Amino acid sequence: EPEVTQTPSHQVTQMGQEVILRCVPISNHLYFYWYRQILGQKVEFLVSFYNNEISEKSEIFDDQFSVERPDGSNFTLKIRSTKLEDSAMYFCASSARLAGHYEQYFGPGTRLTVT
Amino acid sequence: AQKVTQAQTEISVVEKEDVTLDCVYETRDTTYYLFWYKQPPSGELVFLIRRNSFDEQNEISGRYSWNFQKSTSSFNFTITASQVVDSAVYFCALSEAHNDYKLSFGAGTTVTVRA
Repeated sequence: EPEVTQTPSHQVTQMGQEVILRCVPISNHLYFYWYRQILGQKVEFLVSFYNNEISEKSEIFDDQFSVERPDGSNFTLKIRSTKLEDSAMYFCASSARLAGHYEQYFGPGTRLTVT
Repeated sequence: AQKVTQAQTEISVVEKEDVTLDCVYETRDTTYYLFWYKQPPSGELVFLIRRNSFDEQNEISGRYSWNFQKSTSSFNFTITASQVVDSAVYFCALSEAHNDYKLSFGAGTTVTVRA
């Protein structure tokens, strides 16, 4: 069964460093998402991406964040200068179409720890 | 404003007891979708069910059942004859047409099933 994969599973970085979280969505999917979950809290939407551009982003997704689909298979989230409060689990998701009845498939997540 | 409210933070039951998780949502859309996800201790998000706003039929899947009532904007989830493996955080989520169908999650309910 096709699945969304994410690498690395755990990333530890120092404050101020740049990190890139990688995701490989399901191959025929067209819509891609990043969500964040701070430890013990709810899952929060960060950004959605379609047709090589951001379709929507939340207040959390400020200028420190960027997304890219560099090669037609990977979907990356870059945090330019990490802060302690960026420590969280980051989930990538993809869906075949932009419609709620097309389920968003989640990857296993990348746990980012900023020290 | 909270779009999805899960009023129960934690529920603890003994194995074989039934447990019902409440979910109340808020939306102005006539077309929307409701979801339940399970997050076991390993951290991944496991899709359980999707329901669209036009289908108020209740659903049963094994020991899981869902009660969707538009009149009260609720989408409650019941685990019958709970088992230790049901211990997890359960998230209710809403997906709305005017929001590009991004998922808005509730705060989650932690279910602990004791042997």
